[in-house]
Amino acid sequence: NAGVTQTPKFQVLKTGQSMTLQCAQDMNHEYMSWYRQDPGMGLRLIHYSVGAGITDQGEVPNGYNVSRSTTEDFPLRLLSAAPSQTSVYFCASTRDYLDNEQFFGPGTRLTVL
Amino acid sequence: DAKTTQPTSMDCAEGRAANLPCNHSTISGNEYVYWYRQIHSQGPQYIIHGLKNNETNEMASLIITEDRKSSTLILPHATLRDTAVYYCIVTYNNNDMRFGAGTRLTVKP
Repeated sequence: NAGVTQTPKFQVLKTGQSMTLQCAQDMNHEYMSWYRQDPGMGLRLIHYSVGAGITDQGEVPNGYNVSRSTTEDFPLRLLSAAPSQTSVYFCASTRDYLDNEQFFGPGTRLTVL
Repeated sequence: DAKTTQPTSMDCAEGRAANLPCNHSTISGNEYVYWYRQIHSQGPQYIIHGLKNNETNEMASLIITEDRKSSTLILPHATLRDTAVYYCIVTYNNNDMRFGAGTRLTVKP
């Protein structure tokens, strides 16, 4: 199993540009989530999904969209990038929302100029 | 805001036990205590969790006080590879995982 994979690893955007961060898992996990981590801080939940076709907002959802058309994939879209969205983004998955162990991807480091 | 308080940093000698404290005085009855760690800039890694009983797995032990207002993560024989930021999280499900700043543990030779 590859686990949780994220692409790209690094990305530089200009203010106002849009892009999609990709996340995929091959563990047949129902629950997937996106976090952001700003320098020197812990992770904050952006959006999560309890299964295909179902998504919901986390702690810091503004400026981001998600969709979950398949169990495997959970892309995160930045509609109009802002410098405040410069961060490291982590995707995670687990069996369900009550399962105890989340598996995290390696992260995408995003810089918005 | 995170519901936990942890020391900013700690040092530990290689081969010795590392004891990482966490205060969670406002924990609710159905909330679990989770520990994750983050090595350098990698994604966080699950370590252990518990509700009210002490727990042990191949990585660590978790000691929760009887009133559940604090806990201690114990790495029994710390190695250099255990150098990381350790996060103590209190939650009842994954939809409300709030990572604070954590404790930066440095294991020294």
